Amino acid sequence: GQQVMQIPQYQHVQEGEDFTTYCNSSTTLSNIQWYKQRPGGHPVFLIQLVKSGEVKKQKRLTFQFGEAKKNSSLHITATQTTDVGTYFCAGTDSWGKLQFGAGTQVVVTP
Amino acid sequence: GAGVSQSPSNKVTEKGKDVELRCDPISGHTALYWYRQSLGQGLEFLIYFQGNSAPDKSGLPSDRFSAERTGGSVSTLTIQRTQQEDSAVYLCASSLGGRGLETQYFGPGTRLLVL
Repeated sequence: GQQVMQIPQYQHVQEGEDFTTYCNSSTTLSNIQWYKQRPGGHPVFLIQLVKSGEVKKQKRLTFQFGEAKKNSSLHITATQTTDVGTYFCAGTDSWGKLQFGAGTQVVVTP
Repeated sequence: GAGVSQSPSNKVTEKGKDVELRCDPISGHTALYWYRQSLGQGLEFLIYFQGNSAPDKSGLPSDRFSAERTGGSVSTLTIQRTQQEDSAVYLCASSLGGRGLETQYFGPGTRLLVL
């Protein structure tokens, strides 16, 4: 079955630094979504990518969908303490099955 | 509605008891999902409802877990004969429609503790 994996599992970042988290699927995806869960909160939708090679930006966040539609990345520049949380990707396969990755937990050091 | 609501927000129960968790999706959303999230872990898919179609129960971990959705709106997740390993946050989400193709809006979750 479809497997969605996220790396790294944990990311410690100094405030002001950049980092990237990755999402990889064992199968081709129809689309991929990214969610953010703040500590003690629930997942909140960030963005959806549909097209091969698509790149979308939200302020300091850059999301990319791979050319083969099997992987995605989230790059955050100039990390702030408000970026703390767990970032989940969720991929939909060609049968419409959605699966969440295990998430990347981001800790920001001031 | 304002958003997805879930009740209770917290539930403490004794091992062996049954519990019912409720989810009120956003009005007009045809799709409803239940997930389980253990402490510090990712989201484990449990069950998916889409309109009047038969639900996708492929994520339910055992026959102690069941869910229903009445009138295409409110959903109840029932756990029978609870075990300590059932302790987790149970999250409900709804979307306008189309599995995996629409934004999922999550409720605040029910924190279940089985003693």
